[in-house]
Amino acid sequence: AQSVTQLGSHVSVSEGALVLLRCNYSSSVPPYLFWYVQYPNQGLQLLLKYTSAATLVKGINGFEAEFKKSETSFHLTKPSAHMSDAAEYFCAVIDSGGGADGLTFGKGTHLIIQP
Amino acid sequence: KAGVTQTPRYLIKTRGQQVTLSCSPISGHRSVSWYQQTPGQGLQFLFEYFSETQRNKGNFPGRFSGRQFSNSRSEMNVSTLELGDSALYLCASSLSGLSTDTQYFGPGTRLTVL
Repeated sequence: AQSVTQLGSHVSVSEGALVLLRCNYSSSVPPYLFWYVQYPNQGLQLLLKYTSAATLVKGINGFEAEFKKSETSFHLTKPSAHMSDAAEYFCAVIDSGGGADGLTFGKGTHLIIQP
Repeated sequence: KAGVTQTPRYLIKTRGQQVTLSCSPISGHRSVSWYQQTPGQGLQFLFEYFSETQRNKGNFPGRFSGRQFSNSRSEMNVSTLELGDSALYLCASSLSGLSTDTQYFGPGTRLTVL
């Protein structure tokens, strides 16, 4: 079984400030981890994924995430927030054994950018 | 390359009716997965089809079913609709399936059950 916890349903940062969105997971087998972004009335877009290669993963739009096995975390960061980053962000996990349970998503974090 | 398309984008039905949603994957992708998104439960996995066979299934009642055609297009059917079925239904396609493959999502079908 696998699960994802995203701390903070809403996160507000000022434009130009650091963005930090938290994600903790649990998985009975080595996991693969993903961050997706969803803009209003749109589907999900992949930001980045961890599939057991480098633990620091760089994604699109300046985002990156670090896989920390000891902390079971996969937090998403961006050094400088832009107004266009305002959206809903989802962390997701899938087991490396074939994905029988599909992608398991966290509840999402709504990122608000203050001008 | 065209993305994942879903039709219709919006749908209004009444309780007890049935509905069919369609998903056309990215050309060359053989796996299609379906997800339900609601404010209360978030995103939940429904099922995955690969080469016309259901390969994985989430924890949903039998009223939710699907199929995949030889061209990889997929349909999802919900019978005897309930108010709680109101949701955004997303499909995602990938080359060979779940796990490491990137899942590309469509824009979704917004189903409202009255």
